[in-house]
Amino acid sequence: AQKITQTQPGMFVQEKEAVTLDCTYDTSDPSYGLFWYKQPSSGEMIFLIYQGSYDQQNATEGRYSLNFQKARKSANLVISASQLGDSAMYFCAMRDFFSGTYKYIFGTGTRLKVLA
Amino acid sequence: GAGVSQSPSNKVTEKGKDVELRCDPISGHTALYWYRQSLGQGLEFLIYFQGNSAPDKSGLPSDRFSAERTGGSVSTLTIQRTQQEDSAVYLCASSLAGGAVDTQYFGPGTRLTVL
Repeated sequence: AQKITQTQPGMFVQEKEAVTLDCTYDTSDPSYGLFWYKQPSSGEMIFLIYQGSYDQQNATEGRYSLNFQKARKSANLVISASQLGDSAMYFCAMRDFFSGTYKYIFGTGTRLKVLA
Repeated sequence: GAGVSQSPSNKVTEKGKDVELRCDPISGHTALYWYRQSLGQGLEFLIYFQGNSAPDKSGLPSDRFSAERTGGSVSTLTIQRTQQEDSAVYLCASSLAGGAVDTQYFGPGTRLTVL
């Protein structure tokens, strides 16, 4: 069965420093996608970055990068040069490609607080 | 262009009453998803629409929950005989075609409180 685990309920980081948010996953599907979303206090979910299981290189989008370690089944989000506006909840999610389901599975999230 | 919109933004109801939650996806998006987010939790998948049909409704928690989509656009999530455990934020998302790598765009959500 699909499962996403985020073990850090809360994290602090100093402004301008880098931070890594952990995500491990489990699936029996050989092909899948991994996603990270940001949810500010206003509540909207904002897509950040995507990694396909078949991608050879780690995904990057501006200050966001995904540290994908397939053998370890981990997909950690790295935010470089943190900004105060990065304070939010961050969710890791996955979707299997061949299981016949269209379901996205989300983790319980990590609340990030950036300190000035 | 306009994003995903949901109405109402807040809904307070009494236990046992029926409620309808509405989602307007981005124009041209054929895929539509409903999720539920309970306090302090991640998102729980409820149902997926492709056009007007729902090939995956595996996340609906009970037969009190139903959803429909008309004209390949607006979707309504209906909860009958609401219970206190139904209190949550209900989020709608749409994507261009429902492909696994399609970006989902989320609405602002409807906060449902069942007294």
